[in-house]
Amino acid sequence: EPEVTQTPSHQVTQMGQEVILRCVPISNHLYFYWYRQILGQKVEFLVSFYNNEISEKSEIFDDQFSVERPDGSNFTLKIRSTKLEDSAMYFCASSILSASSGNTIYFGEGSWLTVV
Amino acid sequence: AQTVTQSQPEMSVQEAETVTLSCTYDTSENNYYLFWYKQPPSRQMILVIRQEAYKQQNATENRFSVNFQKAAKSFSLKISDSQLGDTAMYFCALPIITGANNLFFGTGTRLTVYSL
Repeated sequence: EPEVTQTPSHQVTQMGQEVILRCVPISNHLYFYWYRQILGQKVEFLVSFYNNEISEKSEIFDDQFSVERPDGSNFTLKIRSTKLEDSAMYFCASSILSASSGNTIYFGEGSWLTVV
Repeated sequence: AQTVTQSQPEMSVQEAETVTLSCTYDTSENNYYLFWYKQPPSRQMILVIRQEAYKQQNATENRFSVNFQKAAKSFSLKISDSQLGDTAMYFCALPIITGANNLFFGTGTRLTVYSL
């Protein structure tokens, strides 16, 4: 069964450093997402991406965050200058069409980011 | 504003028994989809079941079924014949608004299935 894959599974970084989290969405999917889950809290939406541009973003997704689809398969999340509060599990996800049309969003296994 | 409320932070059930997890929500939309996701200790988010709001019939997937009460804005998940592998966090989710691509998650219910 096709799945969303993410790398790295765990990364430790120093505060102020740049981090890039990588994802390979399911190949025939058109919508891509990043979600975040701080330890012990609920999953929060960061950004969605469609047709090579951001379609929606949350208040969390400020100027220090950016997303890119550098080629036909990868989808990346960059955090320019990490802060302690960026420590969280970051989930990449994808769907064929939009969730509001009932399409299932498939999640990757997550990248656990620890900022020290 | 859209909200998703899961009022049971933790629940436990004995193996082979049935358990119901509650979820209430608020939305101004008339046509929407609702989802239950499972997050086992591995932390991956896995779709359990989804419900289309305009369908009166409750969705069923093997041992998992929902009790969808549209007027009451209630979307509970019933797990029959509980198995140890069902131990996980369970999140209720729905798209925030029509046309939105992202999901809004509840705070989750931690379910523990214990052996006989």
